[in-house]
Amino acid sequence: NAGVTQTPKFQVLKTGQSMTLQCAQDMNHNSMYWYRQDPGMGLRLIYYSASEGTTDKGEVPNGYNVSRLNKREFSLRLESAAPSQTSVYFCASRAGQGANYGYTFGSGTRLTVV
Amino acid sequence: QQQVKQSPQSLIVQKGGISIINCAYENTAFDYFPWYQQFPGKGPALLIAIRPDVSEKKEGRFTISFNKSAKQFSLHIMDSQPGDSATYFCAAASGGYQKVTFGTGTKLQVIP
Repeated sequence: NAGVTQTPKFQVLKTGQSMTLQCAQDMNHNSMYWYRQDPGMGLRLIYYSASEGTTDKGEVPNGYNVSRLNKREFSLRLESAAPSQTSVYFCASRAGQGANYGYTFGSGTRLTVV
Repeated sequence: QQQVKQSPQSLIVQKGGISIINCAYENTAFDYFPWYQQFPGKGPALLIAIRPDVSEKKEGRFTISFNKSAKQFSLHIMDSQPGDSATYFCAAASGGYQKVTFGTGTKLQVIP
């Protein structure tokens, strides 16, 4: 019963480097999300995928791309990392679209861009 | 702009006391208000949620109070315990519930 698994847990990048954050869920959830968490800012939605085959922008999509590879996997890519992208990134999933379905979050990826 | 405003930023409560965290929202289309609890090094976890058709919801020591006319809602933690020490986020969502807007978080410390 892994839930939502994120890899890697920690990463240090140099400005301009690229990387992909991986997320996989084993709960057969339809919707998946990427959030970033910054001190004093709460959690801000980057991108989400309401169902397999669809992706949509959230509140702070600039500098990121996503791929919903299949129902289980939703990846986040930074093409050219910037120091402003230093943050903790959380992937989440949700079973359905109604209000009774809360998020299940992964344990996060702590990214530092130097 | 911050659509969900949360206060206080941090809170220290004695064991056995009541912890109160407040949130206010602006978007009247919001109709689902969850609270999430986050321990250090972990992702947030759903704690309790309320719809605006009720003014209060209680689950164990945790109670949400909702004031639709004032566009405010709050979390009360009764008989606070050291194990409740965590960061708490209020949130809000509207129809479809695909986009949940989070508050900025409250770091709660319960001291023995």
